[in-house]
Amino acid sequence: DTAVSQTPKYLVTQMGNDKSIKCEQNLGHDTMYWYKQDSKKFLKIMFSYNNKELIINETVPNRFSPKSPDKAHLNLHINSLELGDSAVYFCASRLQGNDGYTFGSGTRLTVV
Amino acid sequence: GQQLNQSPQSMFIQEGEDVSMNCTSSSIFNTWLWYKQEPGEGPVLLIALYKAGELTSNGRLTAQFGITRKDSFLNISASIPSDVGIYFCAGQLRGSNFNKFYFGSGTKLNVKP
Repeated sequence: DTAVSQTPKYLVTQMGNDKSIKCEQNLGHDTMYWYKQDSKKFLKIMFSYNNKELIINETVPNRFSPKSPDKAHLNLHINSLELGDSAVYFCASRLQGNDGYTFGSGTRLTVV
Repeated sequence: GQQLNQSPQSMFIQEGEDVSMNCTSSSIFNTWLWYKQEPGEGPVLLIALYKAGELTSNGRLTAQFGITRKDSFLNISASIPSDVGIYFCAGQLRGSNFNKFYFGSGTKLNVKP
């Protein structure tokens, strides 16, 4: 009954590979996000979807492509992985009009 | 991106001590949030602030929305070992996209029993 669940929790892969991270929320929220947390713990927003529509797209390489099949899911696909993509990726959701995000427990991506 | 300066970067304190940390920016914010992140987990919302001067408590935690709207403070009283974690401030800029929050760089809190 986890509110925001991400899979996988850990992902180790080689440079150049393509990988996906999945996120699902069962809170009935209408807005979902992807954040990247680097080694210094800095959290930076990447994307946001509201009811399956992309509303925030920060300066992220176009190797990163989010997909929202429905408002409960937001997946992140990364092409041609690079060493600098290594980080913890957090999915989050919130209900419009409510400021607090609910975060998932993160996916630690290591590119070797 | 927007800069939120959070200080101190880290703190080592004795159990029972009070803790203060703050977050500042050169821009005006509409909303301030404070989160706590424990190892291997995502951040969890502690307190949300919506008005300049607002003071809000959540148990031993108290946060304030600065009068200038450019800063916020978090205090923890009588710290205990389970307070260990990284505390993040997050703010929404005045007039910005309603859905977008910027995060500070975090304050890592260590509590010695």
